[in-house]
Amino acid sequence: DGGITQSPKYLFRKEGQNVTLSCEQNLNHDAMYWYRQDPGQGLRLIYYSQIVNDFQKGDIAEGYSVSREKKESFPLTVTSAQKNPTAFYLCASSPRTGATNEKLFFGSGTQLSVL
Amino acid sequence: KQEVTQIPAALSVPEGENLVLNCSFTDSAIYNLQWFRQDPGKGLTSLLLIQSSQREQTSGRLNASLDKSSGRSTLYIAASQPGDSATYLCAVRPGQDGATNKLIFGTGTLLAVQP
Repeated sequence: DGGITQSPKYLFRKEGQNVTLSCEQNLNHDAMYWYRQDPGQGLRLIYYSQIVNDFQKGDIAEGYSVSREKKESFPLTVTSAQKNPTAFYLCASSPRTGATNEKLFFGSGTQLSVL
Repeated sequence: KQEVTQIPAALSVPEGENLVLNCSFTDSAIYNLQWFRQDPGKGLTSLLLIQSSQREQTSGRLNASLDKSSGRSTLYIAASQPGDSATYLCAVRPGQDGATNKLIFGTGTLLAVQP
């Protein structure tokens, strides 16, 4: 089955702790994205990557870090500098064809909560 | 700065009713507009994508329209069913950054279809 796998589904963070959210895709997509969703709000872009070994900050990158060492993988680390990390995190990918009808495909999300 | 607004925030209808969800955006320079469905605690599923040169798209009981000049889109759901209950999100792909598939999301409409 082709798709995007996010793990874990639920994650708890202690004060001062860094945690890493996993995102793996087998769609052979070049571009990958991390979004954050708060209750009753839309999705906000954290980081995105257009190609391996390259990534760019989105609108709310402070307190987060990413890496893109492999095409299939785009892990997100929530650092202790992120003071309000409780949210639903969604990973997405797209093929980067340049077409104006290019769709975005989403994983099933990770709910992060602070203990 | 592009902003996307969805009205109403929540909607409850009896089964079988036709309904319309609204989405507005402030900057008409877009590549496309997409409608997504999100079930509780899940990722997003793409429903319809309308390119900036198109006026509408249809898929089964769903019809989405786009009026770029007025900054509006509607999602029409015919003969609603309890299985349509979910949050519906609209998102625009800004035209100024066409090299990426970054989307700007509305806050969503929570739809409940009563049996």
